[in-house]
Amino acid sequence: DGGITQSPKYLFRKEGQNVTLSCEQNLNHDAMYWYRQDPGQGLRLIYYSQIVNDFQKGDIAEGYSVSREKKESFPLTVTSAQKNPTAFYLCASSPPAGTVFSNQPQHFGDGTRLSIL
Amino acid sequence: GDSVTQMEGPVTLSEEAFLTINCTYTATGYPSLFWYVQYPGEGLQLLLKATKADDKGSNKGFEATYRKETTSFHLEKGSVQVSDSAVYFCALRGGRETSGSRLTFGEGTQLTVNP
Repeated sequence: DGGITQSPKYLFRKEGQNVTLSCEQNLNHDAMYWYRQDPGQGLRLIYYSQIVNDFQKGDIAEGYSVSREKKESFPLTVTSAQKNPTAFYLCASSPPAGTVFSNQPQHFGDGTRLSIL
Repeated sequence: GDSVTQMEGPVTLSEEAFLTINCTYTATGYPSLFWYVQYPGEGLQLLLKATKADDKGSNKGFEATYRKETTSFHLEKGSVQVSDSAVYFCALRGGRETSGSRLTFGEGTQLTVNP
């Protein structure tokens, strides 16, 4: 079955530590996204990538970094500069805009819950 | 810029009650509209979508009609079940070429259905 796999499901970060959240998809989608969800709130876009080796900042990129070296993978690093990292992180993918698949929705992984130790 | 406004929650209903969750949007061009559902501890699942005015999306007894004249995409279900308890998100993909494939989400509405 095609889908998006996020790992780990739960992650704990120590003070001053960088942590990396994994996101892998086998849907052959070009575009991938990272969102942050805080309790009782909607989703806020951190970073997105429309194509391999290219990515753009979303609305809350400070304290985060990403890479897109492979089409299937879009890892997110939460750096020590992110002072309030405790949240639920969701990865998504979709076909890119400007194609015959433009109206297809984003598909989501099951999320990673990050907490501070 | 694009925006989505959902009715404030939480919403609590008894089983078999009628559900409406309001969603209105602001966007230029011709956006596509989506409803997603999130069960506890999980990611978002697409519930239904509509890509042009007057389209009706439907799935699992849920329906929503794309109303361009009122810029709305309200979610409805005639008879809710306990298993429908979840958080529901309204979202749009902008209608301009420069929008890319980004989605703009509403804040979500928590629905609890009691037996």
